[in-house]
Amino acid sequence: GNSVTQMEGPVTLSEEAFLTINCTYTATGYPSLFWYVQYPGEGLQLLLKATKADDKGSNKGFEATYRKETTSFHLEKGSVQVSDSAVYFCALNQAGTALIFGKGTTLSVSS
Amino acid sequence: ETGVTQTPRHLVMGMTNKKSLKCEQHLGHNAMYWYKQSAKKPLELMFVYSLEERVENNSVPSRFSPECPNSSHLFLHLHTLQPEDSALYLCASSLRRDYDEKLFFGSGTQLSVL
Repeated sequence: GNSVTQMEGPVTLSEEAFLTINCTYTATGYPSLFWYVQYPGEGLQLLLKATKADDKGSNKGFEATYRKETTSFHLEKGSVQVSDSAVYFCALNQAGTALIFGKGTTLSVSS
Repeated sequence: ETGVTQTPRHLVMGMTNKKSLKCEQHLGHNAMYWYKQSAKKPLELMFVYSLEERVENNSVPSRFSPECPNSSHLFLHLHTLQPEDSALYLCASSLRRDYDEKLFFGSGTQLSVL
């Protein structure tokens, strides 16, 4: 069945460091891919999405590229801030199925 | 503020209690969802409602009983829960039950079962 695998956290970085959070997926066909973010004490919010191969989703300085050949959708940011500290979830869906989430990766950024 | 409001924020209950979680959205969305978030596990989809009709029930134990009286409100009724049911329960909504739609999540109810 469909599944999402994220790198284990927590990820601890200093402010202005480069961020990569790895996400790979297993799916038949061509799913849509998402990154959601959960700030402390809040629900999840959509961060970015990509719906087809080679699409790049971007928002708030974060980027992720849909790589069909490696079945990956890694999240990157060139310079993280303390306010980026949160839990990041990779997710996929295909038509007619519910969103499937990964386990989440906790990011902690210190000044 | 996502437009999805959940109450209460925290709930502690014994195994013999009956309680209800409430979710409200005034975004004009037609689909609403209950998710369970446990530590170190993926989010688990519990129930999906579309236009007030339950369209998905992912093998959830009968001690969880959802109710959707209208398109703006969703409840999760709880009775005779187990300690392993302790988790963050998240409500979400989307414009349609098309899973490519962006989901809007509430802040969740942190449930502790003693």
